[in-house]
Amino acid sequence: EAQVTQNPRYLITVTGKKLTVTCSQNMNHEYMSWYRQDPGLGLRQIYYSMNVEVTDKGDVPEGYKVSRKEKRNFPLILESPSPNQTSLYFCASSLSWPGVSEAFFGQGTRLTVV
Amino acid sequence: GENVEQHPSTLSVQEGDSAVIKCTYSDSASNYFPWYKQELGKGPQLIIDIRSNVGEKKDQRIAVTLNKTAKHFSLHITETQPEDSAVYFCAASIIDEKLTFGTGTRLTIIP
Repeated sequence: EAQVTQNPRYLITVTGKKLTVTCSQNMNHEYMSWYRQDPGLGLRQIYYSMNVEVTDKGDVPEGYKVSRKEKRNFPLILESPSPNQTSLYFCASSLSWPGVSEAFFGQGTRLTVV
Repeated sequence: GENVEQHPSTLSVQEGDSAVIKCTYSDSASNYFPWYKQELGKGPQLIIDIRSNVGEKKDQRIAVTLNKTAKHFSLHITETQPEDSAVYFCAASIIDEKLTFGTGTRLTIIP
C-alpha cells in the first residue's frame, strides 16, 4: 500500500530534550516536506527536500533540522524543543513539486513540549 | 510570497444541503489550486484540484470554481452527507514552488 508513515503518532517531551520524528514513504517520491498545523494558522511548511542531500527552508524553519540521506526517509529533528513547538506535525511526499503532482500526507505526530 | 485566505472558519449545514468554502490568493502567478480534506485523526487528503487554464472542475458531488481576475476560488459540495464532516484546506501554488495553505474550514453536517 502506498503510504507516508510517521512515528511516533504522539509524543510528550520536556524542554530542551532532543527528539526526532521519523518519516518514510514507499512511493519513490522525489519531494518530501514537513508541515506544522496550528489552530487558526493552517498548515505551514517547515522544511522541504527535492532530492537526496538537497534540503531547503520553508516558512517556519527556526528550531528545526532535517536530513535526506536516503530517498525514502526525511526525519525532523528538534535539537532543543521549546513549548512553542507544541503542535501537530505532518510529513508529506510527492513525485515532483506539489504544484505538479499530488502531495500525500502522513497521519500526523502530535507533539507536546512541557 | 503567496498569501491564502480562507472563509468561513466553521460551517454547519443540514444533511442534503450544499456547502461552499471560499479562498482568495494574493500572487497572480499562482496556477495550481488544490483542496484537501482532513478527517479526524488523519492527514490531509487531496479531494480535487484545478489549474489556472480551467474555470471549473467537477467530481461527482464536489466542484471547484476559479476566478483568476478576482483571484479567488471556491469549493462546492452538493447533497452533503455525514461523511463530508471534516476540516477542509485550500492551497495555492506556482508550478515548481511550494504549496501555501489556507487556515482551514471545519465543516459539520447536521443529520
